[in-house]
Amino acid sequence: QKEVEQNSGPLSVPEGAIASLNCTYSDRGSQSFFWYRQYSGKSPELIMFIYSNGDKEDGRFTAQLNKASQYVSLLIRDSQPSDSATYLCAVSHASGGSYIPTFGRGTSLIVHP
Amino acid sequence: DTGVSQDPRHKITKRGQNVTFRCDPISEHNRLYWYRQTLGQGPEFLTYFQNEAQLEKSRLLSDRFSAERPKGSFSTLEIQRTEQGDSAMYLCASSLATGGNEQYFGPGTRLTVT
Repeated sequence: QKEVEQNSGPLSVPEGAIASLNCTYSDRGSQSFFWYRQYSGKSPELIMFIYSNGDKEDGRFTAQLNKASQYVSLLIRDSQPSDSATYLCAVSHASGGSYIPTFGRGTSLIVHP
Repeated sequence: DTGVSQDPRHKITKRGQNVTFRCDPISEHNRLYWYRQTLGQGPEFLTYFQNEAQLEKSRLLSDRFSAERPKGSFSTLEIQRTEQGDSAMYLCASSLATGGNEQYFGPGTRLTVT
């Protein structure tokens, strides 16, 4: 059973702070890692993906991957109230295996002014 | 470039009725996925297509659910004899078979079974 674990939160941070969201996964063969943002009542929106160990930065977002520890994280710098949403972690294979992502239950982030 | 579209956006039906949802993927995407999501949960995989071939279906999926992608473009998901437990958001996503399989979701169809 492939599992993706996330702390459900809520994680509450003040505006301007760094929000750190964490995710662990059980399938060592996972190759692709995704972060989605989901506002209440809306569908998930892909905000970051990462395939190699290390950090990947895109604007205020940084994804960090450590395959040895089976751990992926998302950092949001200079958090804004508009970042308040649920953040879903998903992992999948990219080749030679199942292409079906396994999603975590999501972490609720609240950024307060 | 248009994103993934789904129709209808909302559906209210009575228990026992059949419903059909449509998904139009991003035009160059050859993989298409259906998910179901309930409150407080991540998307739950239902089935996926690569072009017109249905390659995998969740073992948890009741035989009341069927999906098609007849020409490798749009897809339909049908639920027969709906039950109250089918009430959920039904999400469609598409991706390219090359690359890292980044999936882009449509807006979803919210189903309420009364």
